[in-house]
Formats: sequence, C-alpha cells, structure tokens
Amino acid sequence: GAVVSQHPSWVICKSGTSVKIECRSLDFQATTMFWYRQFPKQSLMLMATSNEGSKATYEQGVEKDKFLINHASLTLSTLTVTSAHPEDSSFYICSALTDMNTEAFFGQGTRLTVV
Amino acid sequence: AQTVTQSQPEMSVQEAETVTLSCTYDTSESDYYLFWYKQPPSRQMILVIRQEAYKQQNATENRFSVNFQKAAKSFSLKISDSQLGDAAMYFCAYEGNDMRFGAGTRLTVKP
Repeated sequence: GAVVSQHPSWVICKSGTSVKIECRSLDFQATTMFWYRQFPKQSLMLMATSNEGSKATYEQGVEKDKFLINHASLTLSTLTVTSAHPEDSSFYICSALTDMNTEAFFGQGTRLTVV
Repeated sequence: AQTVTQSQPEMSVQEAETVTLSCTYDTSESDYYLFWYKQPPSRQMILVIRQEAYKQQNATENRFSVNFQKAAKSFSLKISDSQLGDAAMYFCAYEGNDMRFGAGTRLTVKP
C-alpha cells in the first residue's frame, strides 16, 4: 500500500516555542490530507482538512492561528503548533487520501510533549 | 457534520471464537466509504476492511467481514476465529467530504 511518512515521531519542546510536524506521501500524490489529535485512550479527533494549494478547513473549536496547516505541494502537509503550551501535549496523526479518494493512509503519528 | 458512534467501549472474546463490533453513523451524503481500523499499542493505524456505500455486497477480508445496513446506517465488524494478535483498539471510520472516527472499542482476546 501507499506510504505516508510523518516526522518527527516524538518531540519535546518548551512552552512558548513552536513545533512543526511534517506529513509526506512518499509514493503517491495526496490532494487531501487530514490532521488528527488523539488523547490517551480516546479516539482520533479531526482537527482540519488540508487541500493542496488552498486554505485548510478547521473543525469547530480548533484555533487556526495556533495550529497552522500548510499544504504547499501534493506530497507534503505541515502542522505547526505555535506558542505551545502543556495542554497542547498530545498525539498528532496525519492521513492522506490518494487521488482516487478511496482510502486514507496514515502517518506513524507524532507524540508532542510541551514542558 | 457526519457522526460515527461505537457504543461498545470494551469487548472480550475467547480465542478462536467470533466477536462482533458495532458501529452506526449519521450522514446526509449519498456517496461515502466506511472503514474499520485497528490501532495496536504502537498507535499505527492499520486498515482492517473497507466498504463502499454504493455496494450492497458486504466486504470480506479473510477472517474479517462486515454487515453493512445502509438504510439503518449500521456497519458492524465480525471477527471470526479470533486470534491473540487481534487484541487492539478498533475504530469505525466514515469518509465522505472528510474522515471521522468513532470512539473506539478495545478488544481483548482471552487465550
């Protein structure tokens, strides 16, 4: 199947700093990518839908100025957590739809810890 | 927005037995896909099975099969001959204009 690479797999940062998470589709073009947040023992909560070349669509309650999403190419989407706070600590997962839009492939996830 | 409901937080099955995980969803879209994903402790999402809404025939993948009732908006997963390696979190997912997940069911397999 198609491969989605998410980097880094884990990161620790200080409060007030920004962290960028990359999501790359390695062997296919992804017109749409999704970003999720997952708290321990909970489900994946959709944060935003990212379409190449256009602004991301954020879910209600997700601060677009805090969670900056850029989908500049058909193989790369980035999520930047700006001015991170301890409550932003979580597991973030991206997924990418193939151009057939029939199946989403997931990255390995990023564990963010803000200290 | 579309919603996905999994009403079983935890399920348990004896090894080699059969277990069914429930999922219902709500949507006004006519064209969509439904999925079951498995998430082991590594947290990597693993696709178990997929169903296209326009297909009436239930999807089957080896020991995994679904019971897709479109009118009732129900999409249950049956795992036959359960194995120890099947133990994980299972998420039902809906893909239309976006992709959303149910709350998950933690499956335990007893030897």
